[in-house]
Amino acid sequence: NAGVTQTPKFQVLKTGQSMTLQCAQDMNHEYMSWYRQDPGMGLRLIHYSVGAGITDQGEVPNGYNVSRSTTEDFPLRLLSAAPSQTSVYFCASSMGGGSYEQYFGPGTRLTVT
Amino acid sequence: GESVGLHLPTLSVQEGDNSIINCAYSNSASDYFIWYKQESGKGPQFIIDIRSNMDKRQGQRVTVLLNKTVKHLSLQIAATQPGDSAVYFCADRVTSYGKLTFGQGTILTVHP
Repeated sequence: NAGVTQTPKFQVLKTGQSMTLQCAQDMNHEYMSWYRQDPGMGLRLIHYSVGAGITDQGEVPNGYNVSRSTTEDFPLRLLSAAPSQTSVYFCASSMGGGSYEQYFGPGTRLTVT
Repeated sequence: GESVGLHLPTLSVQEGDNSIINCAYSNSASDYFIWYKQESGKGPQFIIDIRSNMDKRQGQRVTVLLNKTVKHLSLQIAATQPGDSAVYFCADRVTSYGKLTFGQGTILTVHP
């Protein structure tokens, strides 16, 4: 198993550009989520999904969209990048159904200039 | 709002010592707690978890203690090694919300 994979590893965007961060898992996990990590802020939940076709907002959803068309993939879209979205983004998955051990991907470091 | 937080942002220990990392939580409805380890440039890695109906849980070289009376959680690492140097996060879950809330993290540095 590859576990949770994320692409790209690094990305630089100009203000106003859009892009999609990719996340995939091969563990057949129902629950997937996106976090951003800023210095001194810990991990903050952006969006999450409890299964294909179902998504919901987390703590900091503004400026981001998600969709979950398959169990395996959970892309995160930045609609119009802003410098405040400069951060490290982590995707995570878990089995759900009472299991909350989340498996994290390696992260995407995003810089918006 | 209610959140999970850490008492100490940094902890330095000598190799072989025992380490204790503390975490305070404020939501009395939290029923599940996890500790994660994050090494530089990597995603968080699960260490150990504990449910609110337990006071203590042991793993390999790690022990988590839960004191619900004072809403306090701790991670004990026995015989700390340089490879234990990382940022450690606690997280909690409230049944009704079903999502994890992470604390800010503690930087553990182990000196040889």
